[in-house]
Amino acid sequence: DQQVKQNSPSLSVQEGRISILNCDYTNSMFDYFLWYKKYPAEGPTFLISISSIKDKNEDGRFTVFLNKSAKHLSLHIVPSQPGDSAVYFCAVVLTSGTYKYIFGTGTRLKVLA
Amino acid sequence: DAGVTQSPTHLIKTRGQQVTLRCSPISGHKSVSWYQQVLGQGPQFIFQYYEKEERGRGNFPDRFSARQFPNYSSELNVNALLLGDSALYLCASSLGSSYQPQHFGDGTRLSIL
Repeated sequence: DQQVKQNSPSLSVQEGRISILNCDYTNSMFDYFLWYKKYPAEGPTFLISISSIKDKNEDGRFTVFLNKSAKHLSLHIVPSQPGDSAVYFCAVVLTSGTYKYIFGTGTRLKVLA
Repeated sequence: DAGVTQSPTHLIKTRGQQVTLRCSPISGHKSVSWYQQVLGQGPQFIFQYYEKEERGRGNFPDRFSARQFPNYSSELNVNALLLGDSALYLCASSLGSSYQPQHFGDGTRLSIL
């Protein structure tokens, strides 16, 4: 029973264009959402987060959008750079009741020079 | 400042054995979480400890246990190892519990023969 899904296992984008990574979740009680980036042989690195009371958060080239009614989260990277090539994981957090911190399956982004 | 450090980096065990993995959090971080990552999947939440108390537990059998020490370092123990326990085990630390971004170590690669 996957509570968090990243339906695109891979994505290729030209340098300078926008990268859009998507994440769907099933439980409307999740109250915090994060994106992590992972390079080979390294642990995930935190990128950006958003709480359930907001619908958008920006940090430089990275913007996270939250659509609570659709239970959908997306990460926009503009402009994409070759150094952005990595695996991106969304994560959702339930802080009330039974604590849960659930990662998606990941999307491998390749930015082509 | 040193990041999250995990030891050992690689480990080979046989079925039925027991293993202890170690984690030192970032200085000042009081929360430590453990994750299991198998190939092609996102990290799966095992435990979270905050101020030496267990604050969350994922869907893992009782063969998995952990503890946090007064200096906030942590150990993950796995008993009666199975072939399916072969995975990358990630430790993450954060300032507090709940939704704060987590800082990951590079993991311990555990192989069961």
